[in-house]
Amino acid sequence: GDSVIQMQGQVTLSENDFLFINCTYSTTGYPTLFWYVQYSGEGPQLLLQVTTANNKGSSRGFEATYDKGTTSFHLQKTSVQEIDSAVYYCAMRDYNQGKLIFGQGTKLSIKP
Amino acid sequence: EAAVTQSPRNKVTVTGGNVTLSCRQTNSHNYMYWYRQDTGHGLRLIHYSYGAGNLQIGDVPDGYKATRTTQEDFFLLLELASPSQTSLYFCASSAGLGLSQNTLYFGAGTRLSVL
Repeated sequence: GDSVIQMQGQVTLSENDFLFINCTYSTTGYPTLFWYVQYSGEGPQLLLQVTTANNKGSSRGFEATYDKGTTSFHLQKTSVQEIDSAVYYCAMRDYNQGKLIFGQGTKLSIKP
Repeated sequence: EAAVTQSPRNKVTVTGGNVTLSCRQTNSHNYMYWYRQDTGHGLRLIHYSYGAGNLQIGDVPDGYKATRTTQEDFFLLLELASPSQTSLYFCASSAGLGLSQNTLYFGAGTRLSVL
C-alpha cells in the first residue's frame, strides 16, 4: 500500500545553518506531496505542497521538490532560525483520493 | 482561517471505559479526519469522512468507531478503551481534493489517557 517514510527522527542545528530533511514515498498512483509543520502545543499546519514532479514549492523561506525517479521529497532552508524549531511532517495524497498519509515526523531543534 | 474545535482537551479513563471525542468545524468543509499522534509513528489516520453520514476506514481503525452526524460534527468513539489507545488525537478538516481545497486544518488535539 501507499506509504511515507522519514528516517530522520531528530535534527539539531545552529542558527544560520542549512536545513535538509528527506522523505521517501511509495505509491502506484499520482501523488501530491506536502510538508506540514507542528509547533509545540499546536496542531500541524500546512507549510507547502507540490503537485508535479520536479516542480518546486516554497513558503516562508522553505523550499521543497520531489523526484519521481527516486520517489524522494525533500525540504530545505538556507538559513534556519530559532523560530523554526518544530516537528516537520512529510505527507502524501494520491490523486483524487481523500486519504492523506503522514510520515513519522522530524523534530528540528535550533541552538541559539 | 478555518476553525476546528476539539473537545475535551484532556480525558482520563480506565481500561474498558467508554469514551467519545468530539470535533466541530465551522467552515462547511466536506472532509473530516481523525488521526492519532504517537512518538516514533507520527500521525496515523484512524477514520475519515467526506460528508454527513459517510465514513471511510483509515490505516489504524481497530478499536475505534466514528460517526459524522452533520457537515460540521465528527465523533470518535472508543467503546472498550485499552491502554494502547493512550495518545494525542487530532481532528482535521479540508474543503475538498482540488489544489486550492486540499489543505488540512487541524484542531488543537485531545490528550487521552487510558489507565
